[in-house]
Amino acid sequence: AQRVTQPEKLLSVFKGAPVELKCNYSYSGSPELFWYVQYSRQRLQLLLRHISRESIKGFTADLNKGETSFHLKKPFAQEEDSAMYYCALVGGNEKLTFGTGTRLTIIP
Amino acid sequence: DGGITQSPKYLFRKEGQNVTLSCEQNLNHDAMYWYRQDPGQGLRLIYYSQIVNDFQKGDIAEGYSVSREKKESFPLTVTSAQKNPTAFYLCASSIIAGNEQFFGPGTRLTVL
Repeated sequence: AQRVTQPEKLLSVFKGAPVELKCNYSYSGSPELFWYVQYSRQRLQLLLRHISRESIKGFTADLNKGETSFHLKKPFAQEEDSAMYYCALVGGNEKLTFGTGTRLTIIP
Repeated sequence: DGGITQSPKYLFRKEGQNVTLSCEQNLNHDAMYWYRQDPGQGLRLIYYSQIVNDFQKGDIAEGYSVSREKKESFPLTVTSAQKNPTAFYLCASSIIAGNEQFFGPGTRLTVL
């Protein structure tokens, strides 16, 4: 079975401070991991995927197979980063499993 | 924001009635998905379809049914067997299963 854990339901960070949203996964094979984001009044959309190794809107995420983690990081938070963030995993059955999400609030 | 649409935005039904939620995409995507979003529980997969005329149960399929007769359409029926149907329902599609998913705006269903 595949499982994604996001331990923080809520996270508040001051503008300009570093951000780290935690994501841990459980999967016996080689997973493909994603971060999705939902800004206020917008649709859920892909932020980044580990396979592309891109930095999107200043966010990065590194897959750590030893710790089974895929934490999302940004060095300097901006107000527009306030949103709901979901970590997700695709396993061998091509099914996407989401974590419960973290609501990030950037304090001006 | 175009490409995948869901209707209606809000839906009210009486307990015991079946209700069908619409999901249409013009992205020529093979795969389509239905999720349920509840506060504190994230998104849970109800059904998914990797190709037209085929679909599989997700993690919480009980009380739901789907069809995939056309590539563009993946309607979800919430039956009276679903014990707690009031929720926000999201439809998504991807070019093939396992790729980036594109989400619709969602339908909020309230059963009275």
